[in-house]
Amino acid sequence: EDQVTQSPEALRLQEGESSSLNCSYTVSGLRGLFWYRQDPGKGPEFLFTLYSAGEEKEKERLKATLTKKESFLHITAPKPEDSATYLCAVQAGSNYQLIWGAGTKLIIKP
Amino acid sequence: DTAVSQTPKYLVTQMGNDKSIKCEQNLGHDTMYWYKQDSKKFLKIMFSYNNKELIINETVPNRFSPKSPDKAHLNLHINSLELGDSAVYFCASSQDLSTVEQFFGPGTRLTVL
Repeated sequence: EDQVTQSPEALRLQEGESSSLNCSYTVSGLRGLFWYRQDPGKGPEFLFTLYSAGEEKEKERLKATLTKKESFLHITAPKPEDSATYLCAVQAGSNYQLIWGAGTKLIIKP
Repeated sequence: DTAVSQTPKYLVTQMGNDKSIKCEQNLGHDTMYWYKQDSKKFLKIMFSYNNKELIINETVPNRFSPKSPDKAHLNLHINSLELGDSAVYFCASSQDLSTVEQFFGPGTRLTVL
C-alpha cells in the first residue's frame, strides 16, 4: 500500500536555529513529491514540486531535496513567521490523486 | 480576490441531518476536489471532478455526494450525518487533473453532535 510518513510530528526551534523535516514514502512509480504549508485555520498552500532523485528546490529560507526513498525540507535560520504545519504529498502510478502525510508542526520561538 | 472560497466556515449540526457545503473557484481551473482532514491532520481525497467526470475515492460512503452546477462550483452534500463525519472539509482546485499544484479553500469545520 502506498504510504507517506513525516517526521517529527512536531519540532520546536529557536529563531535562527536551522533544522530539517523528513518525508519518507513507499509508493509504486513515483510521479512527483510535493510540499505544502498549512497555517492554523487555513487550507494548505503549495510550496514545491520535486520529480526525480537529486532534484532540489529553494524558496527563501526553505530548501527541498529528494532521494529515492525520502525528501527533506531544510529550513535555514528560521523566523517566527515560518511557524506552520508542513505537509508532504506524493503522486504515484497512474493515479493522479495525492497521497498525504500527516504533517510536521513547526514552531519557531523568538 | 479569494481564489477558492467555501461556505460556511463552521457547521454544527445534529446526527441524522442533511447538510451541504459550497465551494467556488475563480481561477478558471478545470479540476476541483473535496478533501477531508481528520483530527490527526491527514488529508484524504474524497472526490475529484474534472470536465464532468467524477472520480470517487472508493472509501467514501455514498451518503456523500458532490454536485457541480458549473465548472467553477463543486458543492458537497452529506446525508444522514454521523458523529464520525466531524472533521474539516477542504475544497481545492487545479488547472487540470495532471497539474499537481492545488489551490485550497479555507476549510469548513463540521461538528456533528
